[in-house]
Amino acid sequence: SYVLTQPPSVSVAPGQTARITCGGNNIGSKSVHWYQQKPGQAPVLVVYDDSDRPSGIPERFSGSNSGNTATLTISRVEAGDEADYYCQVWDSSSDPYVVFGGGTKLTVL
Amino acid sequence: EVQLVESGGGLVKPGGSLRLSCAASGFTFSSYSMNWVRQAPGKGLEWVSSISSSSSYIYYADSVKGRFTISRDNAKNSLYLQMNSLRAEDTAVYYCARYNDLTRFDYWGQGTLVTVSS
Repeated sequence: SYVLTQPPSVSVAPGQTARITCGGNNIGSKSVHWYQQKPGQAPVLVVYDDSDRPSGIPERFSGSNSGNTATLTISRVEAGDEADYYCQVWDSSSDPYVVFGGGTKLTVL
Repeated sequence: EVQLVESGGGLVKPGGSLRLSCAASGFTFSSYSMNWVRQAPGKGLEWVSSISSSSSYIYYADSVKGRFTISRDNAKNSLYLQMNSLRAEDTAVYYCARYNDLTRFDYWGQGTLVTVSS
């Protein structure tokens, strides 16, 4: 099965830029989606198809994907961005074909 | 406004059964594939099962295959998950999630907690 690897934690000061990575074999050939999950809440899609944002998601959230690493970038980080972030891909050759990364806890210092 | 509301969770003994429901509103339910995704306490997200818009295609994670059954009733705008032979490791919050473009989950319910314990 396809494996997505995320760092367990990332810390950043308010106003700085946070970068959360998602590693996978040739992930650049797949579409990567990112979810934000705050404590006690359901996940929310924040970036899809590598770099697109759903309506209502601030422009501070952006994504990129190339080679073996996809990255979620959060600019001008705010206290309210503190959450767990998960990457996800759909891979027809994998079993299961829906794969989530292990999640990254973003801490705003 | 898209809304997904799960129900049916609770405490069940190992080997027992439970049926989860997800009531959908705010969109044309019959046009979308739907999924169940779960999250064990303190753990990450795990995809459980998906069903196509007309129920023609159904998929399960290996961890639940043969024990769980996904179904839907488009006339009632509802998604279901019948869970049999439950195990302690099935303890989790179960989320109903809409599938967009068959690749991403664009709307999620608030989740329902299933606890399997004697």
